[in-house]
Amino acid sequence: QVQLQESGPGLVKPSETLSLRCSVSGGSVRTETYYWGWVRQPPGKGLEWIGDIFHTGRTNYNPSLKSRVIVSIDTPRNVFSLNLRSVTAADTAVYYCARALDDWFFDLWGRGTLVIVSS
Amino acid sequence: QSVLTQSPSASGPPGQRVTISCSGSSSNIGSNTVSWYQQVPGTAPKLLIYRNGQRPAGVPDRFSASKSGTSASLAISGLQSEDGADYYCGAWDDSLNGPVFGGGTKLTVL
Repeated sequence: QVQLQESGPGLVKPSETLSLRCSVSGGSVRTETYYWGWVRQPPGKGLEWIGDIFHTGRTNYNPSLKSRVIVSIDTPRNVFSLNLRSVTAADTAVYYCARALDDWFFDLWGRGTLVIVSS
Repeated sequence: QSVLTQSPSASGPPGQRVTISCSGSSSNIGSNTVSWYQQVPGTAPKLLIYRNGQRPAGVPDRFSASKSGTSASLAISGLQSEDGADYYCGAWDDSLNGPVFGGGTKLTVL
């Protein structure tokens, strides 16, 4: 079955760029059915949508993060990525990659990766 | 501050029925479908309900949900100890042009 797996540094310095990758196995990102997205969860808090991408490269971002976020997709490698620049301690969170359908629910989630922003 | 509003906690003894509510507005729940997620601490959220009341394969029929106007609710009947988790509602928001979530409800099985 389809699985998602996040990877990337667990520690990022303030003002630097957080970069994560989501590897998709058991299925293709090159599908008309799904969007591929990122959701984060600060410690002890709720879920926040960051942004998403379609296999065509069309993106959609949370307005509160839009100036700092880029989500990209590499269809031959079957991965999609998150770059969040100029991070602060407020960006410390568990970052999940997830698959969404177009009436907007996330039906498949990665296990998540904790990213701490600290010097 | 979450766009969708949930009570922070709920509880009940094993076997009882518990309801978790989610309140939104005309730009989200009022005009789009609602989903519900279960998150056991330390693990990723899991889709529990989609399109207001549909259950993915493998989700027991003890879990049911409904939507009315700008509010939605999740009902869990025959509470079991393994139901203790955080529950989140979600919906597309036309103003944000993206999905939004509730702040989560921590369910304790007494």
